[in-house]
Formats: sequence, C-alpha cells, structure tokens
Amino acid sequence: NAGVMQNPRHLVRRRGQEARLRCSPMKGHSHVYWYRQLPEEGLKFMVYLQKENIIDESGMPKERFSAEFPKEGPSILRIQQVVRGDSAAYFCASSPDRAGRPQHFGDGTRLSIL
Amino acid sequence: DQQVKQNSPSLSVQEGRISILNCDYTNSMFDYFLWYKKYPAEGPTFLISISSIKDKNEDGRFTVFLNKSAKHLSLHIVPSQPGDSAVYFCAASEGGTSYGKLTFGQGTILTVHP
Repeated sequence: NAGVMQNPRHLVRRRGQEARLRCSPMKGHSHVYWYRQLPEEGLKFMVYLQKENIIDESGMPKERFSAEFPKEGPSILRIQQVVRGDSAAYFCASSPDRAGRPQHFGDGTRLSIL
Repeated sequence: DQQVKQNSPSLSVQEGRISILNCDYTNSMFDYFLWYKKYPAEGPTFLISISSIKDKNEDGRFTVFLNKSAKHLSLHIVPSQPGDSAVYFCAASEGGTSYGKLTFGQGTILTVHP
C-alpha cells in the first residue's frame, strides 16, 4: 500500500548549489501539490500540477524555483542557487481525479542549507 | 495575510475528556474544509473534512462543526486518547472540493495526558 513517496528524506546543500526534490504520487493519483513548511509555521502552498501541466503556481517564488510532473516518472521540485532561507520541510501531496477526495501527503524532504 | 487562523498554539487535555480545536477563516470564498493531524518527522494525515453545504460531519471519535456566518470551524475529539497527541492543522480550499490550493492554519499542538 504505497503512499506518497518523497526522496530524499533529508538533503543538505551549500549556498549556491542546486536542490532536487522528488515526489511519486499514490497509485492512480494524477494531481500533485507541493507545500513548504518553515519552522513554527503552517504549510504554505507552492504549486499544483497534473501530468505535464502546471495548473497553479501562485505560491512559487518568482526566481530559482521550478516544478515539473512529466508523463513518466516522479514530480520534481527544483531549487537553483539555494540560500539559507530555503531551509525548510518540503511536502508533496497527491489526489485522484474524483472530486471530494482529500490530498494525501508524503513524509517530506527536510532541506538544510549550510 | 493569514486567511486561516488557529489562535491556540497548544491545548492540553486529560485522557477520556473532550478535545476541542478551533479554526477561523477570513476568505468567504472558502467552501471546503479539512483537518489534518501531524506527528514529528511525518507528513500530515487526513482526518476529516466538511463542505460548506453542511454544518456538521462525524467520523468515529472525530466531529467537525462549521459555522459559516461566523467563519469558524471546530474539531471535537471524544474521547481523547494519548495517541491523539500531535499537531492539528485546519485547511481550506475554494471550489467545493479539495482540488487545488489548500490554505493551512498555523497548527495547534494537542497533548493528551494519561
């Protein structure tokens, strides 16, 4: 019973490097969402994707951040030239095509910037 | 601009008693609400949801109440158990389903004492 799978669970990067976070949705789910949680805060929406399409990226920072959900393979959240402020827990969620079904979350990737 | 607010950072309850977690929202376009539970180092787990066409939804020990005129919802847990100790987040979306962006509150830490 595979849930939403995220890897890596922990990622350490130095300032200026690139971070790639992966998310495999639950079987049968074609909607993927990325959220970020800063310390002592709630989750903040970043982006909503369906296969090969970005549906809503209103929460994505304008620069350095990008997301994709290709026809084959996991969804990728990419952060270029990371800065200390990017340190956070990044959660991926997925939901099926049927309306009224809740989003199910993975266990997150904890990104630390040195 | 915090559109979903959980004003109590923490709540402490005795085992067997009722836990009541509160959530307020400001965006009148929100019409679908969810509660998630989160343990440390794990992703949020869906608990219960409610559509704005209802004012109550019940699932086992969990009941969610919605007061649209007051823009307020609450989660009741009866009876509370030590395993319920976790961070509880309320979340809201527009469009009547959980598709798309969820807006989360800051969370309430629930501690249930044996």
